[in-house]
Amino acid sequence: QITLNESGPTLVKPTQTLTLTCTFSGFALSASGVGVGWIRQPPGKALEWLALIFWDDDKRYNPSLESRLTISRDTSNDQVVLTMTNMDPVDTATYYCAHSGGWYSWYFDVWGRGTLVSVST
Amino acid sequence: EIVMTQSPATLSVSPGERATLSCRASQSVTNNLAWYQQKLGQAPRLLIYGASTRATDIPGRFSGSGFGTEFTLTIASLHSEDFAVYYCQQYNEWPGTFGQGTKLEIK
Repeated sequence: QITLNESGPTLVKPTQTLTLTCTFSGFALSASGVGVGWIRQPPGKALEWLALIFWDDDKRYNPSLESRLTISRDTSNDQVVLTMTNMDPVDTATYYCAHSGGWYSWYFDVWGRGTLVSVST
Repeated sequence: EIVMTQSPATLSVSPGERATLSCRASQSVTNNLAWYQQKLGQAPRLLIYGASTRATDIPGRFSGSGFGTEFTLTIASLHSEDFAVYYCQQYNEWPGTFGQGTKLEIK
């Protein structure tokens, strides 16, 4: 059974850097075709793609946020880490990590519960 | 970036009736289209991928169709647990953009 769990701060201040960790089980990120991504959802709004990392360390970013995002993996601990710099109140959202559904694909078949991050002074 | 447009924004349907939700892409995404269901306070759940393939454990009353730029999610006979927000997402080109969602509410 695949599970993912997001962790990180619930509150960050404007201009700070956000670091979120996705801890997963039930699959290996080293297996061919596998990916783990991050998606966010501001309160009451739609889903937005952020970043994705594949088994071969290929990394993809949303072009509109690419300059602020870094995704990395720790295969020994079954974790994927997302950092977002220069946080702003508009970045307040629930942040989800998810398992890619197909081989080298970017739709998601299993999602974590999400973690709400608020940006405020 | 491919823009995904869903219609209607809100759909009111009675339990037991059929619901049809639409999703349009600004350019062809072939059949690289997924549908998700999201209930209040929960993470999205994958319903359909490849435009028409049901995900694991998804009931047969959910079906998807379409190719290119026009897609449809049909729920054959609504159950009470089906009232939620539904999102389409294209994964033909990076980034995999989502639609703005259709809220399916009880009539």
